[in-house]
Amino acid sequence: RKEVEQDPGPFNVPEGATVAFNCTYSNSASQSFFWYRQDCRKEPKLLMSVYSSGNEDGRFTAQLNRASQYISLLIRDSKLSDSATYLCVVNVGGATNKLIFGTGTLLAVQP
Amino acid sequence: EAGVTQSPTHLIKTRGQQATLRCSPISGHTSVYWYQQALGLGLQFLLWYDEGEERNRGNFPPRFSGRQFPNYSSELNVNALELEDSALYLCASSLAPAGAVQFFGPGTRLTVL
Repeated sequence: RKEVEQDPGPFNVPEGATVAFNCTYSNSASQSFFWYRQDCRKEPKLLMSVYSSGNEDGRFTAQLNRASQYISLLIRDSKLSDSATYLCVVNVGGATNKLIFGTGTLLAVQP
Repeated sequence: EAGVTQSPTHLIKTRGQQATLRCSPISGHTSVYWYQQALGLGLQFLLWYDEGEERNRGNFPPRFSGRQFPNYSSELNVNALELEDSALYLCASSLAPAGAVQFFGPGTRLTVL
């Protein structure tokens, strides 16, 4: 079983649509959770950290369920510029302190 | 504020050679991380340096090594290059606490012929 699992997509949605991505992680000791986006052949860029209470940044909402080891990202009112690969990322922290990446979910927003 | 910088942007080597990749962290960041993203594969953790010491390494052979300098910049060395080492090598930096957000540089694309 992969440490972080995501649906690879692709998700093809029209502009203005709402799209949700889900992710599960296997290590219950994971301490930090993030969503990064990666454009083709570019570096990953932090989209948002994910907190147990849930958090929102404009059109983006992230949720964490520690009991189910499940992370989600909701994008409302999709824009063409949202087209990218979305990476679910966890960090066990402590002495390990490495980011563990899911394989990413490809989003293509169509005009 | 300047982000993480990496050099060179592209590097072409032949099998058996050595490659050296360089990274400068964001000012004030003491931790530097290296990741490999091979074509069709996800990002894999390589190394973590903090305060000049190697703190953790991923599941890579010993020919992958590196170091961190007193100014917190870092080098990744790959010896005895193999074809499958062709990948995008990404450096990230963070503030000291484990679990802090990591910010990535643009990467070095290494091609082994």
